[in-house]
Amino acid sequence: DAGVIQSPRHEVTEMGQEVTLRCKPISGHNSLFWYRQTMMRGLELLIYFNNNVPIDDSGMPEDRFSAKMPNASFSTLKIQPSEPRDSAVYFCASSLGDTSNEKLFFGSGTQLSVL
Amino acid sequence: RKEVEQDPGPFNVPEGATVAFNCTYSNSASQSFFWYRQDCRKEPKLLMSVYSSGNEDGRFTAQLNRASQYISLLIRDSKLSDSATYLCAVNLMDTGRRALTFGSGTRLQVQP
Repeated sequence: DAGVIQSPRHEVTEMGQEVTLRCKPISGHNSLFWYRQTMMRGLELLIYFNNNVPIDDSGMPEDRFSAKMPNASFSTLKIQPSEPRDSAVYFCASSLGDTSNEKLFFGSGTQLSVL
Repeated sequence: RKEVEQDPGPFNVPEGATVAFNCTYSNSASQSFFWYRQDCRKEPKLLMSVYSSGNEDGRFTAQLNRASQYISLLIRDSKLSDSATYLCAVNLMDTGRRALTFGSGTRLQVQP
């Protein structure tokens, strides 16, 4: 079975540019999560969706960040305009259900560098 | 105080040693607990869930102490391949939040 698929694996961009990260969750999973990982702050939840509906976006840093899930098999995280402090590894994860006992499966992440 | 806290380490241990990590969490109402393993430049992968009665998977034992609000991971007979960062994850259940909150991780280095 294919796991969570993220693209691109690496993104290098200049400050002010728009960045779009993509994620395909595991088929049949109905919860999708976007996390960001940095050395300073660790792994932080940005937003999560259940059945394509955003449930908790309290972790989204500011209005420059937006996320969508137009269907069960695709989600995007967009940063516009990007800033150097957005440099991090962005992970997408999915889980089978929406209960607190569900295990998360992570994608390989997108390493974002904003110059 | 961080909501989920871990000693960052590194823990440097020889092969064959037993090593234990703790992870404290802030909300006594927390329901679900997990340990994840993350190798350098890789994604976190689930190592094991942590059940109230404690659970074991081969050389790994996880325990929950609700009274003191921490979980632990014990690794027996450490292997070189156990070298990684171990992240605890807790569903804090506060303000209705149902997603996992992760600790910053404890780095383990097993030496020959």
